[in-house]
Amino acid sequence: GIQVEQSPPDLILQEGANSTLRCNFSDSVNNLQWFHQNPWGQLINLFYIPSGTKQNGRLSATTVATERYSLLYISSSQTTDSGVYFCAVNFGNEKLTFGTGTRLTIIP
Amino acid sequence: DGGITQSPKYLFRKEGQNVTLSCEQNLNHDAMYWYRQDPGQGLRLIYYSQIVNDFQKGDIAEGYSVSREKKESFPLTVTSAQKNPTAFYLCASSLAGGTGELFFGEGSRLTVL
Repeated sequence: GIQVEQSPPDLILQEGANSTLRCNFSDSVNNLQWFHQNPWGQLINLFYIPSGTKQNGRLSATTVATERYSLLYISSSQTTDSGVYFCAVNFGNEKLTFGTGTRLTIIP
Repeated sequence: DGGITQSPKYLFRKEGQNVTLSCEQNLNHDAMYWYRQDPGQGLRLIYYSQIVNDFQKGDIAEGYSVSREKKESFPLTVTSAQKNPTAFYLCASSLAGGTGELFFGEGSRLTVL
């Protein structure tokens, strides 16, 4: 069936470290988004990236659609980066399928 | 400011009562969605609507109902038939269903006592 898998499930880093989060998906995609859920539960859009590479400040993302994965890079981590990161994928229907998330904890 | 407004943010109800969660958007988006999130878990789709007066069941629609009488509004009713209603509920919208970029409201946290 349709699957979206994220790794690692948990990541604990010191402030200032870099990290790479991965999203694997089981079929070709029309849409892929990365979200950050902050400790208050709010989901913030990070990237809309069905293919290619985008950068926004300390964050960047790359989707290689032909190999069915996307990567989210966070450089020089700050405590405000803590939270859960979700990727969500559209496989050509009307809805997004969410991955199970990566919980990132940045220690001061 | 353009965005998605959910209300109330926190809601407590007794078992057996229906509750309605409000979701309003002023982004002129056609598609709207309701998701449920349980502690430590991902998001699961309850219902979605691509156009006014039309909506479809998501993956966990049992015990929930929705309406889409206006483009801006997509209220969710959690009925007494929902066996485990305590959860965090998130409303979202996109310009075009599926392929459009999805934006979320701040969520409503429902606790059934």
